[in-house]
Amino acid sequence: SAVISQKPSRDICQRGTSLTIQCQVDSQVTMMFWYRQQPGQSLTLIATANQGSEATYESGFVIDKFPISRPNLTFSTLTVSNMSPEDSSIYLCSAPWGAGGYTFGSGTRLTVV
Amino acid sequence: EDKVVQSPLSLVVHEGDTVTLNCSYEVTNFRSLLWYKQEKKAPTFLFMLTSSGIEKKSGRLSSILDKKELFSILNITATQTGDSAVYLCAIFRNSGNTPLVFGKGTRLSVIA
Repeated sequence: SAVISQKPSRDICQRGTSLTIQCQVDSQVTMMFWYRQQPGQSLTLIATANQGSEATYESGFVIDKFPISRPNLTFSTLTVSNMSPEDSSIYLCSAPWGAGGYTFGSGTRLTVV
Repeated sequence: EDKVVQSPLSLVVHEGDTVTLNCSYEVTNFRSLLWYKQEKKAPTFLFMLTSSGIEKKSGRLSSILDKKELFSILNITATQTGDSAVYLCAIFRNSGNTPLVFGKGTRLSVIA
């Protein structure tokens, strides 16, 4: 399966600032997905990151708040902009591998104070 | 709308107990059902189930899918404190590189 390196692992940020999360995959993947997991909740899809085109956002998520870059088939970034305490979550990237499996990055635990 | 429902949402058991976690689904273009274990941040893959009635086993964990009744169960026998985690059920749809649809998860706590 593909291996995804995600960083930072955790961060504590001031409200109003932005944080960029990076995911590096050890093989080329067509799609990458970004999820948010708020405390005590399941994973919610933020957007699908396509190489060479704009990301596709789910309802409730907008590009101005969560800009995504996908410069090549092995790398993607998610920025959480103008943060508020409600953005405190675990953020995960994911990519499909093989015949239906999905692998995840190690996750970023974000706390906004 | 695609839906994945897990039950119970939380469960507390003693070491040595056997537990059964449930996952029911209503999705279009079903391809496979996946189980993940989430201890800290990243979910780790447990099983992928595509065919009905074929049990998948890994040590004390096993899982089976019923595509007629649209559900799956995950069994853990002789539970250990290290089994404490959130167990996530997800559906992979048969429509290209689409994201997984997740249930809310079952939080399992195993106490000594």
